[in-house]
This record gives sequence, C-alpha cells and structure tokens, in this order.
Amino acid sequence: NAGVTQTPKFQVLKTGQSMTLQCAQDMNHEYMSWYRQDPGMGLRLIHYSVGAGITDQGEVPNGYNVSRSTTEDFPLRLLSAAPSQTSVYFCASSYSTTGPYEQYFGPGTRLTVT
Amino acid sequence: AQSVAQPEDQVNVAEGNPLTVKCTYSVSGNPYLFWYVQYPNRGLQFLLKYITGDNLVKGSYGFEAEFNKSQTSFHLKKPSALVSDSALYFCAVRVPFYGNNRLAFGKGNQVVVIP
Repeated sequence: NAGVTQTPKFQVLKTGQSMTLQCAQDMNHEYMSWYRQDPGMGLRLIHYSVGAGITDQGEVPNGYNVSRSTTEDFPLRLLSAAPSQTSVYFCASSYSTTGPYEQYFGPGTRLTVT
Repeated sequence: AQSVAQPEDQVNVAEGNPLTVKCTYSVSGNPYLFWYVQYPNRGLQFLLKYITGDNLVKGSYGFEAEFNKSQTSFHLKKPSALVSDSALYFCAVRVPFYGNNRLAFGKGNQVVVIP
C-alpha cells in the first residue's frame, strides 16, 4: 500500500492563480480531510469528506473548494491564490467516520503564493 | 467546542532523561485523545490513542501517555529520551458522534533532545 499520497510536493503560485492539490489513498478509507499547517498554529481543518459525494467545511474553508467523486481521491482547489494561503497542506484519511480510528497523513505540499 | 492546549512551545531534555510533553483538553463528553509526531519535512505519524479503559496507554517507539480525567490531561511520556526523538509533537482530541471524525489539534510542541 502506498498509503496517502499528495502531489505536488512544492508549488509556487502568483496571486490570483488557481491550482489543484491532489490527494489519493489506497486503503479504502471512508473519511478524508485537508489541513493547513502554519507555524505556532498547529493544524487547522479546511474541508473534510465522510464518503464519496459528501463533503463539508472545516475551520478555515474560505478560498478553497473540494469534491469527492471516488473513495480514493480528494482534491483541494485554490480558486484565486492569496499570500495568506502560503502554508503546508496535509491530506489525511481514516478508516471510518465512526469509531476511534487514527488518521493517516500524506507527506504534505508546501505552497508559496507571491 | 472541543479543544486541546499544549502549554509549552519547546521542551529541551538531555539524552537518557525522562521526556514529558504536556496536553490538556476541553470537551463536553468523553474524549478520544491522540498523539502524533512530525519529523522535519514529513507528514504526521500516529503514536498512540486513548479511547476508554486503562488510563495508561502504550504506543510506538517506547512512548506512553497517561489519561487523567480529573485534571483533563493527556501527557505524553518516554522514560529515556533519544536524540532521534527530536521532533514536533501534536496532541489532538475528538468527541465521538456518528458521521464525523473531526480532530482538533494543539499547536504542537518542539522537542529537542540534547546529546
């Protein structure tokens, strides 16, 4: 199993550009989520999904869109990049939405918006 | 709302000494509590979790954590720290209810183990 994979590893965008961060998992996990990590702020939840076709907002959803057409994939779209979106982005998945299952994290995407 | 607090920004410890990383939580209900570790330029790795039962939980790499309901704490411990334990440690909490696996993370503690 590859686990949770993310692409790209690094990305530089100009203000106003759009892009999609890819996330895939091969563990047949129901639950998937996107976090951003900023120094001194821990991880903050952007969006999450409890299954294919079902998504919901987390703490900091503004400026981001998600969709979940398959169990495996959960892309994160930046609609119009802003410098405030400079961050490290992590995708995570978990076996189920019920039960105390830990989350598995991808390696992250480091995004810089200039 | 559920939350965790990690009161120290950085913990310095000499190699071979006991290591403690502190976490307190605030939830309404019985919590699920987790510890994760992040090595430089890597994603988070699961260390251990508390669900119910024995208050002392053992996890990966020799780490353990003690759940204390009266003090609403879930401190991470290791009896003898290694230089390779130097990393960023996150505490997280989830209040279980159907249809949601959301975690609230603390801000993280940098652990530096000094040779």
